[in-house]
Amino acid sequence: EPEVTQTPSHQVTQMGQEVILRCVPISNHLYFYWYRQILGQKVEFLVSFYNNEISEKSEIFDDQFSVERPDGSNFTLKIRSTKLEDSAMYFCASTELGVVTTGELFFGEGSRLTVL
Amino acid sequence: AQSVTQLDSHVSVSEGTPVLLRCNYSSSYSPSLFWYVQHPNKGLQLLLKYTSAATLVKGINGFEAEFKKSETSFHLTKPSAHMSDAAEYFCVVRGLLDDKIIFGKGTRLHILP
Repeated sequence: EPEVTQTPSHQVTQMGQEVILRCVPISNHLYFYWYRQILGQKVEFLVSFYNNEISEKSEIFDDQFSVERPDGSNFTLKIRSTKLEDSAMYFCASTELGVVTTGELFFGEGSRLTVL
Repeated sequence: AQSVTQLDSHVSVSEGTPVLLRCNYSSSYSPSLFWYVQHPNKGLQLLLKYTSAATLVKGINGFEAEFKKSETSFHLTKPSAHMSDAAEYFCVVRGLLDDKIIFGKGTRLHILP
């Protein structure tokens, strides 16, 4: 069964360092998402991405964050100059459908980021 | 704009008894509604979804949910809980006209032996 894969599963970094989280969406999917879940809190939407550009982003997704689809398979989330409050589980998701649809989101198992 | 409220942060039931996890939503348009489950140290798995077809939706592992527009609810139920059902459950709403999908805060289900 196709699945979304994320790497690394866990990353520890020092405050101020840059982090790149990688995701390989399901191959025929066209829409990609990043969500994060701070420990003990709700899952929060960060950004959606379609046709090589951001289609929507939340207030959380400020200039510190960026996303990229550098090739036909990877979808990355870059966090510049990490802060303590960036510590969270980051989930990548993809779907073959988008706006005005009801497509299921397929999630990866998450990348846990710990900022020290 | 849409929102979703999960009324209980924790629910405890005994094995073999019914499960009820409550969810209320708010949406400007006809929403799509989902329940996802997250087992410890695992990703998010779809349990079931409502997409304007039948109001009673059956999902995996014996779960089902009923869409009630008059009550703006989409509660998740299971007739008989199993120990393996212990997990975090998220009610999710997706509006008709945007890509954003909103998660509830989650309900942690505890199964007592």
